[in-house]
This record gives sequence, structure tokens and C-alpha cells, in this order.
Amino acid sequence: DAKTTQPPSMDCAEGRAANLPCNHSTISGNEYVYWYRQIHSQGPQYIIHGLKNNETNEMASLIITEDRKSSTLILPHATLRDTAVYYCIVWYNNNDMRFGAGTRLTVKP
Amino acid sequence: DGGITQSPKYLFRKEGQNVTLSCEQNLNHDAMYWYRQDPGQGLRLIYYSQIVNDFQKGDIAEGYSVSREKKESFPLTVTSAQKNPTAFYLCASSRDRGTSTEAFFGQGTRLTVV
Repeated sequence: DAKTTQPPSMDCAEGRAANLPCNHSTISGNEYVYWYRQIHSQGPQYIIHGLKNNETNEMASLIITEDRKSSTLILPHATLRDTAVYYCIVWYNNNDMRFGAGTRLTVKP
Repeated sequence: DGGITQSPKYLFRKEGQNVTLSCEQNLNHDAMYWYRQDPGQGLRLIYYSQIVNDFQKGDIAEGYSVSREKKESFPLTVTSAQKNPTAFYLCASSRDRGTSTEAFFGQGTRLTVV
């Protein structure tokens, strides 16, 4: 079973920030938090990952709480092309990588 | 170009026939994975392999088999024992163990059994 829980769906207005939460209360000390997204009928696309510190790249920012039991993916200026299913995963060392149901983000004009 | 390739994109088979889905990567990755996705659902892990000649069952391995004879290849066989094989199948790979690493996915094979 997946080690993460996410809301099933969220809406966001185009141009606004999208904040996607994820709970991972059973995360182990060496497990990283990864985010992927999947646009309909395509393979998932890597977005970002982190261990303890907040991370930022050209696609998004990842905020991890100090106790590491939850995190938030932030898309700073959502566009219509960001409409997708977003998956939060905890994973380490090429072990079994399990996905939950994800959050279906709909960006609306 | 480096990447992970699944073939074919669409596959049709008659009920009761075994079928093998191809997954090839030229990224020199150690680990490879197979997932099944049903409409409107998330990805479920079928099998994964951390190294050549070794693989482990995931959550839904029944009715499936794999082999890992070469680092770059991880074929999945859907056997006649799989009761509901029609689904979207995704393959992924990731590099060396021991450090944080991202996984790369193929574009999937959509299998329809009639």
C-alpha cells in the first residue's frame, strides 16, 4: 500500500498558485519525498523531490514540515497545461516505489 | 536520445493467450519497475527489479511474470492466469542505489484482451 494520502481533487484558477498537500506520517528517516504528475494516458513525469529541506526548481517548490510527516507541492503560477494527476511518493534506494491515487488538479481559466 | 521505451503502444490479444510487453532503457539504470493502471485509478506495482537477475513481487504480481537477464531490458508477461488483464501498463527505471534518484517512465502500453 502507498505510504501517502492526498486529497482526491483540487481546483485552481489560472495564474494563481496551486498548493497540493500530502501526508506521509509513517515516513522513515532515509526516505525521500517525490512528486510526479501524469497527464492523461501518458507516463508520469518527475517534478521534484526532497529529504528535509525545502526545494525549488524550474517547475515547482516543495515544502516539507520539520517533522517530515507532511509536505506541500507548490506550482507558483498554474497554467491550463498543469491540469493533471499529481502523485506524492515516499521512496528510498530503488526499493519498491508505490503510488497512491494522487490528486487530480484542474486549472480553470 | 537516452530514455525508456515501451512497445507496442497498443496491443490486442485474445482471452487465454499469454502476451509479453517490452520495456527497454538505455540510461544504464539498475532498477526497473512495472505498474498497472486502470481507468481513473492510480498506479499499482506489479514487479520491480533492483539489479540484473533479481526481481521482487509488488502488490499485484499474480498472473504476471518478469525476467531481468539484461540490465537494459525488463519484459513483462501477462499470462492467461491474470483474470482481468485489460489495462494500461507502465514501465519505469531509476539509477544506482544509495542516493536520491528520480525514476523515468515510459509512455505505456495499452493492452486490450478480447
